[in-house]
Amino acid sequence: GEDVEQSLFLSVREGDSSVINCTYTDSSSTYLYWYKQEPGAGLQLLTYIFSNMDMKQDQRLTVLLNKKDKHLSLRIADTQTGDSAIYFCAESRGGSYIPTFGRGTSLIVHP
Amino acid sequence: KAGVTQTPRYLIKTRGQQVTLSCSPISGHRSVSWYQQTPGQGLQFLFEYFSETQRNKGNFPGRFSGRQFSNSRSEMNVSTLELGDSALYLCASIRSGGHEQFFGPGTRLTVL
Repeated sequence: GEDVEQSLFLSVREGDSSVINCTYTDSSSTYLYWYKQEPGAGLQLLTYIFSNMDMKQDQRLTVLLNKKDKHLSLRIADTQTGDSAIYFCAESRGGSYIPTFGRGTSLIVHP
Repeated sequence: KAGVTQTPRYLIKTRGQQVTLSCSPISGHRSVSWYQQTPGQGLQFLFEYFSETQRNKGNFPGRFSGRQFSNSRSEMNVSTLELGDSALYLCASIRSGGHEQFFGPGTRLTVL
């Protein structure tokens, strides 16, 4: 199976919270990342979490890490139409720090 | 600080031709990685260069090659293009001692 797995689509109403989930297989992951990709653009690093943390908050973004279950989530509070994009989960290990990406979750925000 | 830049942004080629893509990392970043993004395969790692040396390599055929110059700018080359090479090619840079990758806008390659 894939090293990093995400659901493909998520639809939410404007103003609600969005939760995007990700599972990974490598227990030696050092960093876990969330990237955002808007149409026609490259990937924008949103946030990351070190593997010995279980939560990180950055304005509207909250990352939760359950290392035992190898589960990562990204919560976006007060989701706006401008948050519509593809969100990629990724993990990397120490040494090369070359991340392995999931397939991306397409977030659709409707009024 | 200027971000990662890639040129050209769009390219149309025909099968059998070759193509060269260019990436300029963020000033001071010495590591440059290349990725291929397609709807079918997602984001796949091609190779990484650091101080003009290939440091890591993904699982792509030898038609895909790259190099890095002394100013950290990098190029990737694809020879004998195939229809399946149509993709968005992304490059990313990392600062020395860092771990976060910063991506450029990509080059959209279409092979006809």
